[in-house]
Amino acid sequence: DAMVIQNPRYQVTQFGKPVTLSCSQTLNHNVMYWYQQKSSQAPKLLFHYYDKDFNNEADTPDNFQSRRPNTSFCFLDIRSPGLGDAAMYLCATSRDRGSDTQYFGPGTRLTVL
Amino acid sequence: SQKIEQNSEALNIQEGKTATLTCNYTNYSPAYLQWYRQDPGRGPVFLLLIRENEKEKRKERLKVTFDTTLKQSLFHITASQPADSATYLCALDRDRGSTLGRLYFGRGTQLTVWP
Repeated sequence: DAMVIQNPRYQVTQFGKPVTLSCSQTLNHNVMYWYQQKSSQAPKLLFHYYDKDFNNEADTPDNFQSRRPNTSFCFLDIRSPGLGDAAMYLCATSRDRGSDTQYFGPGTRLTVL
Repeated sequence: SQKIEQNSEALNIQEGKTATLTCNYTNYSPAYLQWYRQDPGRGPVFLLLIRENEKEKRKERLKVTFDTTLKQSLFHITASQPADSATYLCALDRDRGSTLGRLYFGRGTQLTVWP
């Protein structure tokens, strides 16, 4: 089945230790998104790629970076995780921009010790 | 700034009743609105999309309305079942008039359907 896959599902890191979360998709969608969702909060868009075109949100901290080496994969790098970065990180895709449905992966739960 | 509010953080209803969830927004005019379901520890799953020129949309036991005058969407689940228990998120397009396709999500309403 076509899907959005996130690895790992659970990630534990230490304060200040860089961490990378990965997302892959078999849907061949043009757009990939990264969201941060804290407990009982709305998913917050961090950035998205339209093909190779990177779009950062104005309020996304510089600590967060992303890479999309090809259509199928997208990575979220947190350069120096703080305690406030503990959250669920959701990857989503859509076929195109505009009103297209977004398809979400299962998320990666990040714990910062 | 734009704001999305979903009524009450939690809604508890009895099996067989109709659940009605509310999404209100202020300070902008979305061209469309989407509803998603999210189970604990999982990513959201798309349910329905309704455009500004559509008053109502249905899918099986689900119905969504969109009132651009009231700046409100209502999401109904008829003949609710315990399996409908989840958090329901509304999401509105952030970039009216553009093709960016970014969504603003609400915090969600946690629905519990008891037998």
